Amino acid sequence: GNSVTQMEGPVTLSEEAFLTINCTYTATGYPSLFWYVQYPGEGLQLLLKATKADDKGSNKGFEATYRKETTSFHLEKGSVQVSDSAVYFCARMDSSYKLIFGSGTRLLVRP
Amino acid sequence: EPEVTQTPSHQVTQMGQEVILRCVPISNHLYFYWYRQILGQKVEFLVSFYNNEISEKSEIFDDQFSVERPDGSNFTLKIRSTKLEDSAMYFCASSDQSGGETQYFGPGTRLLVL
Repeated sequence: GNSVTQMEGPVTLSEEAFLTINCTYTATGYPSLFWYVQYPGEGLQLLLKATKADDKGSNKGFEATYRKETTSFHLEKGSVQVSDSAVYFCARMDSSYKLIFGSGTRLLVRP
Repeated sequence: EPEVTQTPSHQVTQMGQEVILRCVPISNHLYFYWYRQILGQKVEFLVSFYNNEISEKSEIFDDQFSVERPDGSNFTLKIRSTKLEDSAMYFCASSDQSGGETQYFGPGTRLLVL
């Protein structure tokens, strides 16, 4: 089917730790891929995106590389901060231009 | 920086009542969307809208739902007769093109049906 699968949370890290949140997708073709972030009590904000294979999206120290071989778009950050605590959603665009979201991964960063 | 706005931020209603959720998309955008997120669950697509008509709707978007762009700036979602299971956060989004362009989301309206 057409879906997005994320690692289950919560992910709890200490400040300055390395972050990886796994995301894989199933789709026909090569859809655009996105990471959105939802801070407590707020809406969805685009974090980064990649529109074709081998593209790397980056923003605010976060990175994700579009890997068509493994149909993955894992989110990484080298050194997390307390302010990065949020829920992170992986999403892909389908053929009719709607977003298909993963279930979200809650990240908690402790000082 | 332009942004999508939504009103109200919170709404509480009785089961069976009609609610209208309002959105003001980014001004030069042409494609509009509604999504919802039931508490603790994933964000789900409801409907997309372009050129004054629905482009696609999900199976969630039944006859109780409707959308409208009543003027050049607002985009509304109406639920005719709310049910308990309609309680969710409703997000409006807009984009200036289709085909993989970024959708920008509003802050959401939290709807609680009692």
